[in-house]
Amino acid sequence: SQKIEQNSEALNIQEGKTATLTCNYTNYSPAYLQWYRQDPGRGPVFLLLIRENEKEKRKERLKVTFDTTLKQSLFHITASQPADSATYLCALPYNQGGKLIFGQGTELSVKP
Amino acid sequence: NAGVMQNPRHLVRRRGQEARLRCSPMKGHSHVYWYRQLPEEGLKFMVYLQKENIIDESGMPKERFSAEFPKEGPSILRIQQVVRGDSAAYFCASSLSGRSETQYFGPGTRLLVL
Repeated sequence: SQKIEQNSEALNIQEGKTATLTCNYTNYSPAYLQWYRQDPGRGPVFLLLIRENEKEKRKERLKVTFDTTLKQSLFHITASQPADSATYLCALPYNQGGKLIFGQGTELSVKP
Repeated sequence: NAGVMQNPRHLVRRRGQEARLRCSPMKGHSHVYWYRQLPEEGLKFMVYLQKENIIDESGMPKERFSAEFPKEGPSILRIQQVVRGDSAAYFCASSLSGRSETQYFGPGTRLLVL
């Protein structure tokens, strides 16, 4: 069955540094991959979507890469800020549209 | 444009009672998804509904759980005879169409079963 794995340990970095989060998947060839942010007690918020034919996508301080050979996506936050502290979730579609399969999430903590 | 609305935000039930969770999708969205997030676990898909139809219920427990999305009104996730293991955060998401890639999530309902 499809499986998604994210860094299971929390990531602690210093303000201003680049945070890099990893999402690996197996037994699957998704047409796209998404990243969401979730704050404690809140619902996930969509951040970025990258398609299988795109190597890299950027949005402000966020950058996502998608390597379909390695079956891996990397999520980067440059010039990180304490306000970036949250849990970041990787999600893949099970089919075209329809349900999403989420990774466990990586908790990011940015210290001032 | 209001986002996805869920109520109640917190719900406390005793074992054996029924829990009803409501979800109003974003305006113009006719596709609704329910996910459950157990403590220390990731989001798990439960059910996908379109107006008056269940499209995919592969993640729904076979017993005690049901969902509907009537022609008028919010989507309802119903849990009968709740047990302590049902304690979790239940999130609803909506999308414009079934082929929409992005789902917009509500704030969730936190169910506590005593």
